[in-house]
Amino acid sequence: GESVGLHLPTLSVQEGDNSIINCAYSNSASDYFIWYKQESGKGPQFIIDIRSNMDKRQGQRVTVLLNKTVKHLSLQIAATQPGDSAVYFCAENGWTSYDKVIFGPGTSLSVIP
Amino acid sequence: ETGVTQTPRHLVMGMTNKKSLKCEQHLGHNAMYWYKQSAKKPLELMFVYSLEERVENNSVPSRFSPECPNSSHLFLHLHTLQPEDSALYLCASSRSGHGYNEQFFGPGTRLTVL
Repeated sequence: GESVGLHLPTLSVQEGDNSIINCAYSNSASDYFIWYKQESGKGPQFIIDIRSNMDKRQGQRVTVLLNKTVKHLSLQIAATQPGDSAVYFCAENGWTSYDKVIFGPGTSLSVIP
Repeated sequence: ETGVTQTPRHLVMGMTNKKSLKCEQHLGHNAMYWYKQSAKKPLELMFVYSLEERVENNSVPSRFSPECPNSSHLFLHLHTLQPEDSALYLCASSRSGHGYNEQFFGPGTRLTVL
């Protein structure tokens, strides 16, 4: 069945280093992917998205890479800051009749000052 | 704030109580969602409303009853819940329809069932 999953449940990085969070998906028909950030006590917040016709998309300090061949998605955060500490979810949202997002289990990112 | 508000933020209830969770979006969206977030589990989609019509019900027990009176408001009525229903309940909204629509989430209601 469909599934979106993360390779590592936790990640600790030194402040100022780059972070890479990985995600695997199993539905090759998926054509839209989103990264969400969830801070403690808050709901998930949109970070960046990418469509399947792209391999890479950049935002402010974040880059998402999509490898459709191996069904892999990654989120890169440049110069990680303490405010980046949160749980990060990758999600799949295909072109279906209804807006339905399938979330992975999440990776907890801790930034060491 | 994301434009999606939820009340109450925290709720403690007994198994025989009846309570309701409320969600309101101020973004002009046409679709609204309820999700359940349990510890160490992925977000679970419960219900989807598009243009005030329920379009998705992911085999949710009948003790959870959603209501969408208009495109800006969404309720989740709770009745005779079980302790395992304790979780964070998140509401979200999006522009709806086909395509690639980002969902905007509220802060959630932390529910504890005793």
